[in-house]
Amino acid sequence: SQQGEEDPQALSIQEGENATMNCSYKTSINNLQWYRQNSGRGLVHLILIRSNEREKHSGRLRVTLDTSKKSSSLLITASRAADTASYFCAIDNYGQNFVFGPGTRLSVLP
Amino acid sequence: NAGVTQTPKFQVLKTGQSMTLQCAQDMNHEYMSWYRQDPGMGLRLIHYSVGAGITDQGEVPNGYNVSRSTTEDFPLRLLSAAPSQTSVYFCASSPGLAGDTQYFGPGTRLTVL
Repeated sequence: SQQGEEDPQALSIQEGENATMNCSYKTSINNLQWYRQNSGRGLVHLILIRSNEREKHSGRLRVTLDTSKKSSSLLITASRAADTASYFCAIDNYGQNFVFGPGTRLSVLP
Repeated sequence: NAGVTQTPKFQVLKTGQSMTLQCAQDMNHEYMSWYRQDPGMGLRLIHYSVGAGITDQGEVPNGYNVSRSTTEDFPLRLLSAAPSQTSVYFCASSPGLAGDTQYFGPGTRLTVL
């Protein structure tokens, strides 16, 4: 399966701390995307990183991609209570659809 | 723009009943898809469409039908509901193929008794 696997499954941190979650996959990819899902809501796109890119930033978010290790990481700096959500990586493997991982549940405690 | 809209937000069915989940987008996106999300799992693709008149199966298509008569609408039909179809259903659209950013609707929470 090309499914992305996020790690850890759950993460609990204090406000102001950094949160790091990882995504691993199995075969070559076209791009990898990260999404956030607040409880009871749909998914919201955060960042897309292409296979020829190694790092991208968006505000407090930093995504890295290591195609040799077939892994990506999402770093959220200076976390806030509002960052509490589930985070999913989605793999585009040159097909006509995405494959989503099971997600990381992040809890940011005030 | 309303983005991607889904109706209804909640639905309870009895086993064997049929129903249609509605999905519409006003962004003129060619690609639309349906996912289901079960507890502790990621999203699993049910069906997708790369344009009006073109649909294809995803990972878990059994028990579901779709059609795409217009660019805007992509309804999902449950033919004969089963308890295993209890889930949260999300519709998504993107400008091109799946490699583009996907825009998700708010979801439909379906319970089959």
